Amino acid sequence: KNEVEQSPQNLTAQEGEFITINCSYSVGISALHWLQQHPGGGIVSLFMLSSGKKKHGRLIATINIQEKHSSLHITASHPRDSAVYICAVPWETSGSRLTFGEGTQLTVNP
Amino acid sequence: DGGITQSPKYLFRKEGQNVTLSCEQNLNHDAMYWYRQDPGQGLRLIYYSQIVNDFQKGDIAEGYSVSREKKESFPLTVTSAQKNPTAFYLCASSLPAGPFNEQFFGPGTRLTVL
Repeated sequence: KNEVEQSPQNLTAQEGEFITINCSYSVGISALHWLQQHPGGGIVSLFMLSSGKKKHGRLIATINIQEKHSSLHITASHPRDSAVYICAVPWETSGSRLTFGEGTQLTVNP
Repeated sequence: DGGITQSPKYLFRKEGQNVTLSCEQNLNHDAMYWYRQDPGQGLRLIYYSQIVNDFQKGDIAEGYSVSREKKESFPLTVTSAQKNPTAFYLCASSLPAGPFNEQFFGPGTRLTVL
């Protein structure tokens, strides 16, 4: 069983739809990272959150520490949102090491 | 502009040859990391370094070697002992070790061993 699990693995949406990607983890400390990987391979950090909710533009990330679960939401999705979204959790013993989920491939069609 | 550079973007090598992937950062970060990404799998940690002249093995260090002689540079050598080296390699850096420190990623190097 993976220590960090994402769902769904693949997601196809129409432009304008509300998107939700989920991440559950069984290890790690009380923080979680959301990353975005574009088709070229480059990865950018979207959020780091340890509690509650964070918002950046059309992206919203929430975390429930007790349930060890986080969600990434995209409002008014656009084709340029098409990417792989990855969640990652720091190890308990060393905060600089991350355990990564397998990623969710999101495709937004016009 | 501050950031992380990896070179080259695409690399082809014959089986049995060692190859070194470059990673440079000008973010003044203490920690640097090497990850491997295979289709359908999450990123896996190969090696990481928290300070100059020190580094630790990650989850899949066998067949790889690194050095950290300068703060800004963390090259990765894929040796002939690595059984399946064809993969996408990502370098990252962060402020000193801590669970809340964001990691900044380079653009990656796609290595193909023929």
